[in-house]
Amino acid sequence: EVQLVESGGGLVQPGGSLRLSCAASGFTVSSNYMSWVRQAPGKGLEWVSLIYRGGNTNYVDSVKGRFTISRDNSKNTLYLQMNSLRAEDTAMYFCARLTGDDWYFGLWGRGTLVTVSS
Amino acid sequence: EIVLTQSPATLSLSPGERATLSCRASQSISIYFAWYQQKPGQAPRLLIYDASNRATGIPARFSGSGSGTDFTLTISSLEPEDFAVYYCQQRSNWPLTFGGGTKVEIK
Repeated sequence: EVQLVESGGGLVQPGGSLRLSCAASGFTVSSNYMSWVRQAPGKGLEWVSLIYRGGNTNYVDSVKGRFTISRDNSKNTLYLQMNSLRAEDTAMYFCARLTGDDWYFGLWGRGTLVTVSS
Repeated sequence: EIVLTQSPATLSLSPGERATLSCRASQSISIYFAWYQQKPGQAPRLLIYDASNRATGIPARFSGSGSGTDFTLTISSLEPEDFAVYYCQQRSNWPLTFGGGTKVEIK
């Protein structure tokens, strides 16, 4: 079955760090464009980061220098390392596979909740 | 950054009625545009891509139109499972951005 399963969310203090994981099955992460999208409680969707098939990365300005997207090809898993977390980073974080070169989000995981609070 | 403005914020309709949702881009994005559906507690689902193409498995009652700055999602006859929040998204420019959403609720 083709699916994405996120993990690693939780409660963290402002300034803290967290690493999210997204395990893929039924397809190869490194052969696809992969992304993280977040949704603050009761709010809309915000694209966070993307990793290209070749390994290049891109980020929304608000997380540049704090978040790092990466993948482990041997584990077929996508990651998001989040440092210097702020209250405004509180959100459900979804992992998504893009639709080839079209950059639409065609496959989503169920999400993992990150809460930044003291 | 391209801003997508969705209207209305809430649409109150009855099953069987036609729903028309709008999304306006702050600058031209050609047809590089998509619609998503999100139900409570679930991840979004891709409905329409490149403004008017239905994604795999999406019923024919969903249709998309538009180009440039103005886009429309039409649900020809609402089914009970269509009551949800709908988001638009553009891929013309970085960063990829979404609209604020339209909630389609049961009247």
